Amino acid sequence: GENVEQHPSTLSVQEGDSAVIKCTYSDSASNYFPWYKQELGKRPQLIIDIRSNVGEKKDQRIAVTLNKTAKHFSLHITETQPEDSAVYFCAASSGGGADGLTFGKGTHLIIQP
Amino acid sequence: EAGVVQSPRYKIIEKKQPVAFWCNPISGHNTLYWYLQNLGQGPELLIRYENEEAVDDSQLPKDRFSAERLKGVDSTLKIQPAELGDSAVYLCASSPREGRTDEQFFGPGTRLTVL
Repeated sequence: GENVEQHPSTLSVQEGDSAVIKCTYSDSASNYFPWYKQELGKRPQLIIDIRSNVGEKKDQRIAVTLNKTAKHFSLHITETQPEDSAVYFCAASSGGGADGLTFGKGTHLIIQP
Repeated sequence: EAGVVQSPRYKIIEKKQPVAFWCNPISGHNTLYWYLQNLGQGPELLIRYENEEAVDDSQLPKDRFSAERLKGVDSTLKIQPAELGDSAVYLCASSPREGRTDEQFFGPGTRLTVL
């Protein structure tokens, strides 16, 4: 089955700086890669996703890059703000998203004021 | 539009007792998922339904866990008997399957504590 590794487990950055979270996956059949943000005690919420036919996708301060050859994808957050503090999860799916997701273990992002 | 609804939000039981969780997906969403999230970990898929059919239950511990989605809408996940290691958050998610997005929308979860 699919295995998703996520690094780092904790990331602390100064407000206004950029944050980068990296994930690798094992199943070359995976074709859908979403990123979820989860605040303490809340539900995971999708912040951005990318499909295997695209190398990069941006949405305002958030961007995701995908390297299919190396089987890794990354989340980039620019101009970080206090409200970006949360746990971020990467995930992968081989069914275009409708199949079950395999999640990484999460990254606790801390934005220092 | 209402999101995915789950109940109860919190449940405390003693080991060996049965427990059930209920999920109401977003209206019109054919695909429903149950995930388990341990503290400090990412969600892990337990079972996926397409309408009323369980199409992927390979990760469901069938000796004690069961699930149903009788009319292809609401779903119930049951544990009998519960063990200490079952303490976790049980998340339900739904997806429209068709259309331009495959996003999975999560419910708030049920936090289970087994004493």
